[in-house]
Amino acid sequence: AQSVAQPEDQVNVAEGNPLTVKCTYSVSGNPYLFWYVQYPNRGLQFLLKYITGDNLVKGSYGFEAEFNKSQTSFHLKKPSALVSDSALYFCAVSGIRSGNTPLVFGKGTRLSVIA
Amino acid sequence: DSGVTQTPKHLITATGQRVTLRCSPRSGDLSVYWYQQSLDQGLQFLIQYYNGEERAKGNILERFSAQQFPDLHSELNLSSLELGDSALYFCASSVGSWGADTQYFGPGTRLTVL
Repeated sequence: AQSVAQPEDQVNVAEGNPLTVKCTYSVSGNPYLFWYVQYPNRGLQFLLKYITGDNLVKGSYGFEAEFNKSQTSFHLKKPSALVSDSALYFCAVSGIRSGNTPLVFGKGTRLSVIA
Repeated sequence: DSGVTQTPKHLITATGQRVTLRCSPRSGDLSVYWYQQSLDQGLQFLIQYYNGEERAKGNILERFSAQQFPDLHSELNLSSLELGDSALYFCASSVGSWGADTQYFGPGTRLTVL
């Protein structure tokens, strides 16, 4: 069965500093990996995804993520954090190339960017 | 705005009651997914429909059921409600039913069971 782990419940970073939100996955075969962000009382917003190809994926709002197959990781990064980036971040995996493949989500990491 | 709409935004009801949550997918999307978000369980996949047919089932209770109509909107029916059913219920949609398809989420329906 596929699974996702987000080892940190909370990440604190100063505004202007780089941020990293960690994600590791477990899946049979090649993974499809996603990052979503959730602001208070809002739905999940899609940030980026990895399907195949370049290990560095660029997404919305200046976020990027690096796929590392050997470490089964897909960490979310941003070079310079903004206070407005403060939110709940979810990593998700889908692991089968065809058919019905709902997303499996991690438990989420709360990012707090301090001015 | 993702283009996925959900009604109602909030629902307050009593134990033992039945409610219906509605979802309209993005224009052109054929798949609809339902998720439940609670503090203790996190985001849990409930069920997926693709072009009117059930495609995948997750941790959906027997008291819950769903369907997708010919116009592709979907409804999630929750019956014999219990206090533990209080949660945020999200609908998502995608173009197809492949694992690589991006799912776009609606704003959610917050259900409170008293």
